[in-house]
Amino acid sequence: AQKITQTQPGMFVQEKEAVTLDCTYDTSDPSYGLFWYKQPSSGEMIFLIYQGSYDQQNATEGRYSLNFQKARKSANLVISASQLGDSAMYFCAMREVNQGGKLIFGQGTELSVKP
Amino acid sequence: DAGVIQSPRHEVTEMGQEVTLRCKPISGHNSLFWYRQTMMRGLELLIYFNNNVPIDDSGMPEDRFSAKMPNASFSTLKIQPSEPRDSAVYFCASSFGQGLGNYEQYFGPGTRLTVT
Repeated sequence: AQKITQTQPGMFVQEKEAVTLDCTYDTSDPSYGLFWYKQPSSGEMIFLIYQGSYDQQNATEGRYSLNFQKARKSANLVISASQLGDSAMYFCAMREVNQGGKLIFGQGTELSVKP
Repeated sequence: DAGVIQSPRHEVTEMGQEVTLRCKPISGHNSLFWYRQTMMRGLELLIYFNNNVPIDDSGMPEDRFSAKMPNASFSTLKIQPSEPRDSAVYFCASSFGQGLGNYEQYFGPGTRLTVT
């Protein structure tokens, strides 16, 4: 079974609008962390935001916020006020504490921001 | 402060040749990870080390792949002999800490390997 599922292979959003990238996960470990990374066309992996399984509030980092719905096992990334520079691949990843430090990545969502 | 350093950035080699990828993690980090990225399989973990000790190598495809971390500041991933299906981008990442917390992994720029 897929541990991390990103169901949107590609998405378009108009500049200055908000966009939500979906991520669902599957784990039986009560202690886990969820991460989002951005990969622009240049190829580097850029950390965006983190949510711990025991965190009571949704994580926010600037224009990025994580809509964490634990019961649904979803951790959607919300980007507000999209910019052209947000065009990239976005990966959701999970670390299960019982599995050590390794990250399991989803297949990614390619976001294109239209001017 | 230098991030994770990988070399070479690009490698083109012929099938059957030995390939060695190198990684220098961020100073002070105690975990090091090797990932491979392909269109077909996405990003997959090959192996990771904690305090220079291999912890999980279940992602290493086969015996042709080996990884070492002789000290806290250096790791290698070796493929011998290389095959065309090994063509991919190989990322090295490092982090500090493993438990429940925002121990984000910092990724290197990657090595793009092409095996012809």
